[in-house]
Amino acid sequence: RKEVEQDPGPFNVPEGATVAFNCTYSNSASQSFFWYRQDCRKEPKLLMSVYSSGNEDGRFTAQLNRASQYISLLIRDSKLSDSATYLCVVNKPARGSARQLTFGSGTQLTVLP
Amino acid sequence: EPEVTQTPSHQVTQMGQEVILRCVPISNHLYFYWYRQILGQKVEFLVSFYNNEISEKSEIFDDQFSVERPDGSNFTLKIRSTKLEDSAMYFCASRTGRQEQYFGPGTRLTVT
Repeated sequence: RKEVEQDPGPFNVPEGATVAFNCTYSNSASQSFFWYRQDCRKEPKLLMSVYSSGNEDGRFTAQLNRASQYISLLIRDSKLSDSATYLCVVNKPARGSARQLTFGSGTQLTVLP
Repeated sequence: EPEVTQTPSHQVTQMGQEVILRCVPISNHLYFYWYRQILGQKVEFLVSFYNNEISEKSEIFDDQFSVERPDGSNFTLKIRSTKLEDSAMYFCASRTGRQEQYFGPGTRLTVT
């Protein structure tokens, strides 16, 4: 089983649509969870952290289900500028405090005019 | 807003040559990382660095790789003898005591 698994897409949605991405992770000891976005040939940019039962930031809502080892991201009222690859990222437990990140392969989103 | 910076943005080198990729992490950050992304593949962890020493390294980070923090601002990744398969984007990242990591714009390494 992959450490972090995502549906690769692509998701092609019209402007204004609501779109949801799902992610599962294999290590039940993982403690921190994130969504990053990555534009073509650019660096991953932190979109939001997902702690405990989830959180909301404007049009973006992230949910975490520890029992199912499942993370989701919901984008409401999608904009053209939301077009990117969305990366599900999990903080890998390790000895010491310098946690490494484990990335999913990403889900590609294209928002169409 | 403070950012992680990396130089050069693009490095072309011949197989067998040494390269040094440079990063300036955000100034009050304590933990430093290198990741790489081969074209079309996912981002992979290479190494983490804290308190002037390597904390963890992946299987990719073999004896050909080394990291240094030579002064209070720079963080470097050296590849001693590059191979074709080292061609990738190399990202530096840093963080405070919180878990969120912030990435630099990357260096595209092309080995010919």
